[in-house]
Amino acid sequence: NAGVTQTPKFRVLKTGQSMTLLCAQDMNHEYMYWYRQDPGMGLRLIHYSVGEGTTAKGEVPDGYNVSRLKKQNFLLGLESAAPSQTSVYFCASSFQGRRVGNEQFFGPGTRLTVL
Amino acid sequence: AQKVTQAQTEISVVEKEDVTLDCVYETRDTTYYLFWYKQPPSGELVFLIRRNSFDEQNEISGRYSWNFQKSTSSFNFTITASQVVDSAVYFCALRLNSGGSNYKLTFGKGTLLTVNP
Repeated sequence: NAGVTQTPKFRVLKTGQSMTLLCAQDMNHEYMYWYRQDPGMGLRLIHYSVGEGTTAKGEVPDGYNVSRLKKQNFLLGLESAAPSQTSVYFCASSFQGRRVGNEQFFGPGTRLTVL
Repeated sequence: AQKVTQAQTEISVVEKEDVTLDCVYETRDTTYYLFWYKQPPSGELVFLIRRNSFDEQNEISGRYSWNFQKSTSSFNFTITASQVVDSAVYFCALRLNSGGSNYKLTFGKGTLLTVNP
């Protein structure tokens, strides 16, 4: 099993450009998440999904959109990138919250720089 | 609202020393889960342990041990005989079991552990 994978691993954008980060999981998890990690801020939840076709906002959703058309994939979009979105982005997945094995498993991260 | 505090921003030890990483959490819920994750210099986040609020037994896994005390709302992590490979950022996290919040994992800001040879 590959677990959680993310594409790409690195990306440099210019202000105003758009891009999509792809997350894929092969563990049949219901829930998927996008986080950003910034120095001194820990991990903050951007958006999450509790199932195929559903998405919801996390703590810091502004400037991002997400889609979950298939259970195994969760896409994070930046429509008009800003320097404040320079960060490391992590995708995670888990079984639904009330199951015993509900720990989140993380992808390797995407390092995004917006110039 | 829930909160996780890791008061130690950075810790530096010499190899073979024991080290304890502190984690204090806040929640009004009675059912919740606590987690520890390791983030080595390579950047990935590695799941270490999950504990539910009804199980206060301490756990040992090799050189790692965890002390969960509901009375002090703490879930501390001890590494015995530390090794250079233990150098990483360690995150403590809290997840509630209530219907509207069971998706949310609240992280502490992490403790950077450096083990020197």
